[in-house]
Amino acid sequence: DAGVIQSPRHEVTEMGQEVTLRCKPISGHDYLFWYRQTMMRGLELLIYFNNNVPIDDSGMPEDRFSAKMPNASFSTLKIQPSEPRDSAVYFCASSRGTSGETQYFGPGTRLLVL
Amino acid sequence: AQSVTQPDIHITVSEGASLELRCNYSYGATPYLFWYVQSPGQGLQLLLKYFSGDTLVQGIKGFEAEFKRSQSSFNLRKPSVHWSDAAEYFCAVGLSGGSYIPTFGRGTSLIVHP
Repeated sequence: DAGVIQSPRHEVTEMGQEVTLRCKPISGHDYLFWYRQTMMRGLELLIYFNNNVPIDDSGMPEDRFSAKMPNASFSTLKIQPSEPRDSAVYFCASSRGTSGETQYFGPGTRLLVL
Repeated sequence: AQSVTQPDIHITVSEGASLELRCNYSYGATPYLFWYVQSPGQGLQLLLKYFSGDTLVQGIKGFEAEFKRSQSSFNLRKPSVHWSDAAEYFCAVGLSGGSYIPTFGRGTSLIVHP
């Protein structure tokens, strides 16, 4: 099993540019999560999907952030326009369920917005 | 809503010494409890989890954790720390009886001195 795959691993962009982060969950997992990790705020849940449907996006910081899951094997997190305060590590995770299920994390995308 | 507290931001130990990382949760019933580890530049990986039964849970890499209902705690322990254990450790709590997304603590950074 390849695990959760994220791309790119690193992204450096300039303020105002559009950024797209990609995620391929583990096959057979019904839930997909997007997290953001910063020193100041720790690990924050941005949004999660169940069977490709967004369930809770209350963690998405602003309208500049959007996420989609067009099929069971692919999700994107888009930031448009990007700002320096968006600099963080973004993780995608997947699981078979919620409460008691293990979440499997990808290696993360380290985003730097100049 | 459930909450989880990791009171120690940083812990420094010498290699070979014992380790205990603290985790306290707030929830009326017995929750699902997890410990994850994040090595530098990596995503989070599950160390162990507790649902019910034996309150002492064994995990990977020689770690164990003990659930103490009276103290609302789920502390992580290891009898002898190795330099490779230097990482960020996250406690997480999930609720039983529904589709709840686990809540993660802020994490404890473990520093291991040779």
